[in-house]
Amino acid sequence: DQQVKQNSPSLSVQEGRISILNCDYTNSMFDYFLWYKKYPAEGPTFLISISSIKDKNEDGRFTVFLNKSAKHLSLHIVPSQPGDSAVYFCAASEGSGGSNYKLTFGKGTLLTVNP
Amino acid sequence: DAGITQSPRHKVTETGTPVTLRCHQTENHRYMYWYRQDPGHGLRLIHYSYGVKDTDKGEVSDGYSVSRSKTEDFLLTLESATSSQTSVYFCAITQDFSGANVLTFGAGSRLTVL
Repeated sequence: DQQVKQNSPSLSVQEGRISILNCDYTNSMFDYFLWYKKYPAEGPTFLISISSIKDKNEDGRFTVFLNKSAKHLSLHIVPSQPGDSAVYFCAASEGSGGSNYKLTFGKGTLLTVNP
Repeated sequence: DAGITQSPRHKVTETGTPVTLRCHQTENHRYMYWYRQDPGHGLRLIHYSYGVKDTDKGEVSDGYSVSRSKTEDFLLTLESATSSQTSVYFCAITQDFSGANVLTFGAGSRLTVL
């Protein structure tokens, strides 16, 4: 049973426009959420995170929104740039530290930003 | 740079042979993880370690074993490799980011089992 779902395998946007990547989760014990970006032949790199006590976290062009009642989060990238083209993984955990800290990932969404 | 080194970076082997992947870190991180990435599955946790000789299973641990005899090294062993274990394997450590943990990944080890 998939606990973290990214239902869009791919997304294509024009440079300068907004990219919105979506993620749903089923485990109500998840309270810490992260987004990772992955380029080909590289390891995933951390992008942004949000705790369940917040509903929004912003870092430059990247904003993550969390809707706990809907068990849904989204990543907004504004403005989108060609260098943002990558696979984006949504991840979740129960707690943000300690010996039980481990991430459950979605399948990823391939974002292509066209010049 | 979290100082994570994975070796080998690429390996081709035959079904039934043993394979060991090594993850080496230089910053004394307590927690270490092995994930595999496959198309259509994202990243899935194989095993993790929360200290020397302290390990636990993840969601796809069957066919894999791990060992951590010293802080800096976390080994993933496939006792008898199968074609279903063809994958890209990522090691990770936890790092503090503004008071919360994030996983920082190595560059990956691509394993092909023929």
